[in-house]
Order: sequence, then structure tokens, then C-alpha cells
Amino acid sequence: EDQVTQSPEALRLQEGESSSLNCSYTVSGLRGLFWYRQDPGKGPEFLFTLYSAGEEKEKERLKATLTKKESFLHITAPKPEDSATYLCRHRGGYQKVTFGIGTKLQVIP
Amino acid sequence: GAVVSQHPSRVICKSGTSVKIECRSLDFQATTMFWYRQFPKQSLMLMATSNEGSKATYEQGVEKDKFLINHASLTLSTLTVTSAHPEDSSFYICSARSPNTEAFFGQGTRLTVV
Repeated sequence: EDQVTQSPEALRLQEGESSSLNCSYTVSGLRGLFWYRQDPGKGPEFLFTLYSAGEEKEKERLKATLTKKESFLHITAPKPEDSATYLCRHRGGYQKVTFGIGTKLQVIP
Repeated sequence: GAVVSQHPSRVICKSGTSVKIECRSLDFQATTMFWYRQFPKQSLMLMATSNEGSKATYEQGVEKDKFLINHASLTLSTLTVTSAHPEDSSFYICSARSPNTEAFFGQGTRLTVV
């Protein structure tokens, strides 16, 4: 069964304190690993798509990386406005989509 | 990025009534639209996938007669929750994609059935 597991469930950082969020997956035939940001009461906002192990993508303070079993979302020198829930999902065989439960990030000034 | 507009953002309805939620792609033609529901502190659960002009494909356990999906044009899909009950209260989110884009999400609709 395809699964996506995110850790930690919650993370509290001081402003400027860099860290990483993890998304591990088991899927037959990965066809994309996606990261989103979701603010309370809003729909997810697309951040990155990664397709193959070794691939990296960056956007401002965020960098996503992918291995054969997991993906990391690295946050460098976060700011309070980075506070949100970060979701990952994959698209596997037969276009099956599985979301992780998310990591709720709180950045304290 | 592409814009997907979902309406309404919040709705309260009485038990037994039906509610329609609209999902529009504003600046691209959405050949495929997806409907999700999200319970508090849980991940998004895919309910159904619809391709323009075709019947929706429902995920296992989702009642197609209760959650009616119409995708009659390349820019609009609707989800109608029929005979709503309190257990249908949830956060419903649509997403849309074209063959050349990734899926972009709407703002979500908070449905409360009283």
C-alpha cells in the first residue's frame, strides 16, 4: 500500500533557526513528490515537484531534496511568515495520490 | 502560479438540505479536477477525480450518489453534497490541472451542517 509519512508532526523554531522537515514514502512507481504550504482555513499552495533521486529545488528560504525513500524540505533562517503546515504528497502508479498528514511549523520572532 | 477559485469559502446548511460548491480555473483550461475533504489535523483525502465531459471517478468508500460531481466545462467543476448530515461537516478542497501544469488548489470550503 502506498504511504507517505511526515515528521515531525509539529516543529517550533526561533526566527533564524534553520531546520528540515521529512517526508518518507513507500510507493510503487513514483511519478512525482510534491511539497505544499497550507495556511489555516486555506487550500494548499504549491511549492515544489521532484521527480528523481538527487533532484533539488529552491525557492527563497526553502530547498527540497529527494532520495529514493524520502524527501526533505530544508528551511534556512526561517521568518515568522514561514509559519504554516507543510504537506507532501506523491503521485504513484495509476495516478494514485497520497498526502502526508503535514508538519505544522511555528516560527517564533 | 495558476489560479483556482473555490466558492463559497464557508457555508452553513441545515441537515437534509443540499449544498453546491463551485471550483473554477481562472487562467487555464482544467482538463482534470480533483475533490478532497480534510478533517481537522488529518491529511487531505481524495474523494473523486473528474475529467471534463466525463463521469467522475470516485475513490473507494465515497458515495457517488451523495457527492455529485459535475465537470461540464474546462473551467468549472461543481460538488453537490446531497441530503447533508452533520457528519458531512468538513473542509472541502478542489484542485485543477491541465496536461501542461501541476495541480493547483482552491481556497477550500468550510461546510458546517447543523
